[in-house]
Order: sequence, then structure tokens, then C-alpha cells
Amino acid sequence: KAGVTQTPRYLIKTRGQQVTLSCSPISGHRSVSWYQQTPGQGLQFLFEYFSETQRNKGNFPGRFSGRQFSNSRSEMNVSTLELGDSALYLCASSDLADQETQYFGPGTRLLVL
Amino acid sequence: GESVGLHLPTLSVQEGDNSIINCAYSNSASDYFIWYKQESGKGPQFIIDIRSNMDKRQGQRVTVLLNKTVKHLSLQIAATQPGDSAVYFCAENIGQAGTALIFGKGTTLSVSS
Repeated sequence: KAGVTQTPRYLIKTRGQQVTLSCSPISGHRSVSWYQQTPGQGLQFLFEYFSETQRNKGNFPGRFSGRQFSNSRSEMNVSTLELGDSALYLCASSDLADQETQYFGPGTRLLVL
Repeated sequence: GESVGLHLPTLSVQEGDNSIINCAYSNSASDYFIWYKQESGKGPQFIIDIRSNMDKRQGQRVTVLLNKTVKHLSLQIAATQPGDSAVYFCAENIGQAGTALIFGKGTTLSVSS
């Protein structure tokens, strides 16, 4: 099976803009989670989607939002970008039989100037 | 082998040594724990997991130990190889349903030959 794929891999934006990142889970996986990784804060949980519904949410401002489609693909949106949003954004998926074991994609590296 | 009693950000070992990486978790109600390995430029890669009803679980060259009394997790790598050089993260699932992983700070393992 192909692994989790994320697009784009690299992105440069300026402050105030918005950005949408995409994630395709492993085939058959229905749960998709998003994480932010920075040198200062480490890996932080953003949210988890299952069957097009947000099931868990981390402690991030409302500028960070996501959604999941009927084919389990997911998108994450960040509005009104700030310099501090520069990070590696990781997507992970898991299957119904073992929902807690998450498999990560390579991430999208976002740089906000 | 070399071990660390407290979390240290880096661990340097010789090829063939046994490595022990320690991690403290925060939520006594967590019942699922997982170790990931992250190489430069890649997303975290699943190594091994353990549930709270177990104290020990073994995989190929890796063993995870769970001490619920002191909320401590450790990862033992036998016969460490240069390819094991990476950052290692422990994580606990705090999701009420589904998955919301909270990650530790990570330990950079350097293996010299």
C-alpha cells in the first residue's frame, strides 16, 4: 500500500495570507490527524477527523481548521498567517481496526515571511 | 549499554551497544503509548506501541517498558546500528475516542561505528 501523501511538500507564504494543505491517507484508513512540528514546541496535535467529523481537537486558535471528505482525504486550512505558523505540518492516518496506531506522512514545510 | 535515568535531549552510543531512551508521560488515565523514530526530512515512523494493561512489549531489536506507578516509558534498542540514528519520540493518547497523541520532547540518538 502507498503511504500517507501530503501536498504540497514545501510552501512559502506571507503574513496575513491563508493556506490549504492536503493529505491523502493510506488506502482504507478512515481516521486522519494533523500535527504541527516546530523546534520550540515540538510535535503538537491539531485535530483528528473520522468519517468527515472532527473527533478530537488540540489547543490551537480558530485560525486553524480542517475538514475530511467522503473518500477520507483531508485538508487543513490556516487563515491570517503569522510568522509563528512556520512549521512542518504532519498528517497521520489510522485504520478502523487499530485506530490508535497512526502512520505519518512526510509533512508539508510551511514558511511564513 | 548506555541508559539515561531522566529525559536527555541527546544520547550517543557505539555501534553494537544497547540503547535506552526514557520518557515521562503526563496523564495517568492514558492507556495507549507509542514510540516513533524520525529521520531528518521525514515524518515520524512507527516503532512499537504498548497498552496500559502491559508492562513490557518486545519487537524486533526493540523493547518498550511501561511503569504506570511513576508514569515512565522506556525504549530499549538492542545492538544499536548506525541506521538507528534519529530522533525518538514517545507519545500518549489522550483522545476520549479515537486518537489525540501528545508527544514528548524527543531524544536524538547518535550511533558511531
